[in-house]
Amino acid sequence: AQSVAQPEDQVNVAEGNPLTVKCTYSVSGNPYLFWYVQYPNRGLQFLLKYITGDNLVKGSYGFEAEFNKSQTSFHLKKPSALVSDSALYFCAVRDISSGSARQLTFGSGTQLTVLP
Amino acid sequence: EAGVTQFPSHSVIEKGQTVTLRCDPISGHDNLYWYRRVMGKEIKFLLHFVKESKQDESGMPNNRFLAERTGGTYSTLKVQPAELEDSGVYFCASSRMGQGENYGYTFGSGTRLTVV
Repeated sequence: AQSVAQPEDQVNVAEGNPLTVKCTYSVSGNPYLFWYVQYPNRGLQFLLKYITGDNLVKGSYGFEAEFNKSQTSFHLKKPSALVSDSALYFCAVRDISSGSARQLTFGSGTQLTVLP
Repeated sequence: EAGVTQFPSHSVIEKGQTVTLRCDPISGHDNLYWYRRVMGKEIKFLLHFVKESKQDESGMPNNRFLAERTGGTYSTLKVQPAELEDSGVYFCASSRMGQGENYGYTFGSGTRLTVV
């Protein structure tokens, strides 16, 4: 079975500082990895994905994530945080070798707060 | 294109009552998914439609939940009778055939269900 862990329920960072939101995963086969963001009273918005290729993927709003196969991690990063980045972030994985390949498995979410 | 629309946005019902949630996917999207987030935990898969057919309903918690997608357009998720543990946010997502798995789905803003 596949699983995702987001070890931090809450991350606080000062505006202008770099931010990292952590994600580790467990799958039996090869993973497709995703980050989604939920702003207050909004739906989940796709940020970025790793399918194959370069381990460093870039997404919307200046976010990037690095796929690390040996550490089974896919941490979300941004060099300089903005107050407007404050939101709930979800990491998700799809095991492409699984029979339930089309569904996503999500982590429990990390609330990011960027302080002015 | 219009996004995935869910309504109601909020619903408060008493234990034992019936509630029906609706999802209108993006026009032309054959894949439709239901997910839910309960008690601030991870977002969990409920089921997947391809057009009007249930492709995977392995995540449906019990037979109090009934999902339909007549005509392959909008979908409804009925909870009857509702229990306290059904409280949470119910998300709908859609994608074109062959794309969602690789490109991420488009999610709606969710329905917040509170059972009292």
